[in-house]
Amino acid sequence: EVKLVESGGGLLKPGGSLKLSCVASGFTFSNYWMHWVRQAPGKGLEWIGEIEYDGTETNYAPSIKDRFTISRDNAKNTLYLQMSSVRSEDTATYFCTTPGFAYWGQGTLVTVSS
Amino acid sequence: DVVMTQTPPSLSVAIGQSVSISCKSSQSLVYSDGKTYLHWLLQSSGRSPKRLIYQVSNLDSGVPDRFSGTGSQKDFTLKISRVEAKDLGVYYCAQTTHFPPTFGAGTKLELK
Repeated sequence: EVKLVESGGGLLKPGGSLKLSCVASGFTFSNYWMHWVRQAPGKGLEWIGEIEYDGTETNYAPSIKDRFTISRDNAKNTLYLQMSSVRSEDTATYFCTTPGFAYWGQGTLVTVSS
Repeated sequence: DVVMTQTPPSLSVAIGQSVSISCKSSQSLVYSDGKTYLHWLLQSSGRSPKRLIYQVSNLDSGVPDRFSGTGSQKDFTLKISRVEAKDLGVYYCAQTTHFPPTFGAGTKLELK
């Protein structure tokens, strides 16, 4: 059974930093691109970035480019999202997901507020 | 970016009724390999999204055949026959043909 479990969310102030994790199981993690998608409270889904199998290529949405960094540790079956210089508009639930949005984690809530 | 336009934004339905949701893209979603990477997701209240249909018309494992997807190029439809209470929530179409992946704004299916 494919399982994705995010963690690391919380409350932080504008300009702060936070690192989210997503632990994967039930599939060969190192064979797949992985994605992060976020959802602001009461809003729709927004794709924010992806990372290639071995981490050599990453792509980001303009809204988070140069502030957030996606990485992975295939030995630990873990995907990361390093968030920096956060803004109030980054308040959202952050989901990790597989290609084609086939599988999703339960999400982790990040709240940016002074 | 490819804009995905879903209609209607909301639907009120009685149990047992059938409904359709439309999703139109601003560009053709046919990829260079000939496949169309248009998917349908359901987000039930308080839950993470779950994919129901991939590549226009293929049901994910465990999804009942009351769900069906049709369409081509830029025009797609999700049909739900004999709606059940567990079908309620927000439906999203999503495309992964073009970079970046994009989602429709969602269609909220509620009980009448």
